[in-house]
Amino acid sequence: QKEVEQNSGPLSVPEGAIASLNCTYSDRVSQSFFWYRQYSGKSPELIMSIYSNGDKEDGRFTAQLNKASQYVSLLIRDSQPSDSATYLCAVKRLTGGGNKLTFGTGTQLKVEL
Amino acid sequence: DAGVIQSPRHEVTEMGQEVTLRCKPISGHDYLFWYRQTMMRGLELLIYFNNNVPIDDSGMPEDRFSAKMPNASFSTLKIQPSEPRDSAVYFCASSQTGNEKLFFGSGTQLSVL
Repeated sequence: QKEVEQNSGPLSVPEGAIASLNCTYSDRVSQSFFWYRQYSGKSPELIMSIYSNGDKEDGRFTAQLNKASQYVSLLIRDSQPSDSATYLCAVKRLTGGGNKLTFGTGTQLKVEL
Repeated sequence: DAGVIQSPRHEVTEMGQEVTLRCKPISGHDYLFWYRQTMMRGLELLIYFNNNVPIDDSGMPEDRFSAKMPNASFSTLKIQPSEPRDSAVYFCASSQTGNEKLFFGSGTQLSVL
């Protein structure tokens, strides 16, 4: 079982719709959770972080965390073509590993006009 | 700040040759990470340093790979001898204790023929 799992997609949504991206993790001692966005040919960039159960909103983005189910999700409201990218879920352990992050393989999102 | 700087951006080499990838982290960051990204395996952590000391090299595929960090502003990842299966994008990233955000370099696209 991979430490961090994501559906590779592609996930296609029409412009203006809500895109829902999901991620599960296997290590129960995971503490911190992150969503990185990676445009084709570019490097990953951090868009959201979440540390406690519940929802965290930042503009059109909402991260959701459920530690009991070991599940993290990212919702993008009013999806725009510029949101088309690969979204990487990353987790950090509670203890040990310093700032080490483990990434999922990413979900490709396509927002269609 | 210029961000994390990697060189070269592209490297094409023949099987059996030595390859050296270079990275300059953001000034003041005490963590440095080397990741490899492929379509099949996603973003994999190869090795990371804290205060120039290698902490975890369990992701290094085999003895052909080595990494050094002689000072706080420079790191290298060496592959000797290179093989076609090493073809990937290699990212260097840095972060700072107390801030889990990873800053990625632009990556090195390595092609081994």
